[in-house]
Amino acid sequence: DTGVSQDPRHKITKRGQNVTFRCDPISEHNRLYWYRQTLGQGPEFLTYFQNEAQLEKSRLLSDRFSAERPKGSFSTLEIQRTEQGDSAMYLCASSFGEGYYGYTFGSGTRLTVV
Amino acid sequence: SQQGEEDPQALSIQEGENATMNCSYKTSINNLQWYRQNSGRGLVHLILIRSNEREKHSGRLRVTLDTSKKSSSLLITASRAADTASYFCATDVVPYSGAGSYQLTFGKGTKLSVIP
Repeated sequence: DTGVSQDPRHKITKRGQNVTFRCDPISEHNRLYWYRQTLGQGPEFLTYFQNEAQLEKSRLLSDRFSAERPKGSFSTLEIQRTEQGDSAMYLCASSFGEGYYGYTFGSGTRLTVV
Repeated sequence: SQQGEEDPQALSIQEGENATMNCSYKTSINNLQWYRQNSGRGLVHLILIRSNEREKHSGRLRVTLDTSKKSSSLLITASRAADTASYFCATDVVPYSGAGSYQLTFGKGTKLSVIP
């Protein structure tokens, strides 16, 4: 499978717990992005990596959120002390360079905080 | 905040008809992209049009871009039931630093239903 893989597909967690999501991008892609999508809305940018460097973070990414991309390969997104407002679909995408041929998105991780 | 805004929010057509969706945006862009999303799934890239292009075709898709009006349209010809999905336009945001763009800003999408 040469697409973008995300794991898990679904996660239900209790408020206050920590969760971690993983994204495996297309191996040739040097850029990796995290987006969040709530029901009825388009995806909203969270953060972006070029290789292993995290170059930009959205204001949506509070200090409870942290993302890493060790060695410029897979990436993890961790949410600490989850809140009900964190319930959303978390989408990972990758691109080669600036994405002039589009981004390749994974199927997403749907988080439900109860 | 979301820069792009699609119109209409929902569209229902018969199989075989053409579907037209519009997108308006607010600031200068390098390119505009259209994506499709089936319910509960990730987004699939359909087509990219650069700011110096006015029209682009890909199979049954036709995209136009009018930078003076800051608008784009996506036409799907001879629609099929399998085209049922949400369609999003996405614009890149040119950072104030002038460096290469690095993020896409999406609209809320148009939900297309194609009735067999």
